[in-house]
Amino acid sequence: GAGVSQSPSNKVTEKGKDVELRCDPISGHTALYWYRQRLGQGLEFLIYFQGNSAPDKSGLPSDRFSAERTGESVSTLTIQRTQQEDSAVYLCASSLERGSPLHFGNGTRLTVT
Amino acid sequence: SQQGEEDPQALSIQEGENATMNCSYKTSINNLQWYRQNSGRGLVHLILIRSNEREKHSGRLRVTLDTSKKSSSLLITASRAADTASYFCATPGGNTNAGKSTFGDGTTLTVKP
Repeated sequence: GAGVSQSPSNKVTEKGKDVELRCDPISGHTALYWYRQRLGQGLEFLIYFQGNSAPDKSGLPSDRFSAERTGESVSTLTIQRTQQEDSAVYLCASSLERGSPLHFGNGTRLTVT
Repeated sequence: SQQGEEDPQALSIQEGENATMNCSYKTSINNLQWYRQNSGRGLVHLILIRSNEREKHSGRLRVTLDTSKKSSSLLITASRAADTASYFCATPGGNTNAGKSTFGDGTTLTVKP
C-alpha cells in the first residue's frame, strides 16, 4: 500500500517568503508527526497530532511555524517569513496509534537563500 | 534536549564484524524503537522492544533494554556494506508525554566492504 507522501521533495525559497509543506499520511493512521532534521543531525520534534485531540505544538521553534491537519488525513506545515536558519529537511511521519512505530515520508528539503 | 541519546556518534567497521550501538533515555517509557536512515531518505522502523522485555531478536538484529539504567543497545551481527546508514532510537513517552516520539542524534555506521 501507499506510504507517507510528502511534497514538494525539494523547495528553494528566498528569505522572507512563506512556504507550505504537505504531508499525506497512511490511511487510517491516527497520529501524525512533523520533525526537522538539519544536515548531519538528529530529528527535532516540531508538532504531533493525535486523532481529534489538541495538537502538541511544544516543539515549534517560533510563531512563524504553524501546522494544520484535516481530520485524520492531510497535514500542512507552514513557515512564514522564512529565515536561512530554517533550511533543513522536514520529515513527516504517521503511526496507527499513540506509541506505535512511525512510518516516515522521504521529507522535504527546504533551502532558504 | 532530546530524550534519547545514542553512542557512539560514528562507528566504522569491516564487513562481517558486529556493530553495537547504545541509546540512553531520561524518562519513563512504554516502549523503545530503533530506526534506520539511509542518506537522503526518511527513517525506517527496525524493531520495537516493550518496557517489560529485556531482549528481542529480528534477523541479524538484537536489541536489549535495561529500564533500571534507562538504556538500550542495538547489535547488528555479521554486518554488510548495505547496513551503512544512521541508526536512531526513539522513545514514545508515557502518559506525561502524550505519546509523542523523541529521537536521539543517531549513530552513523559505516561498513567497509
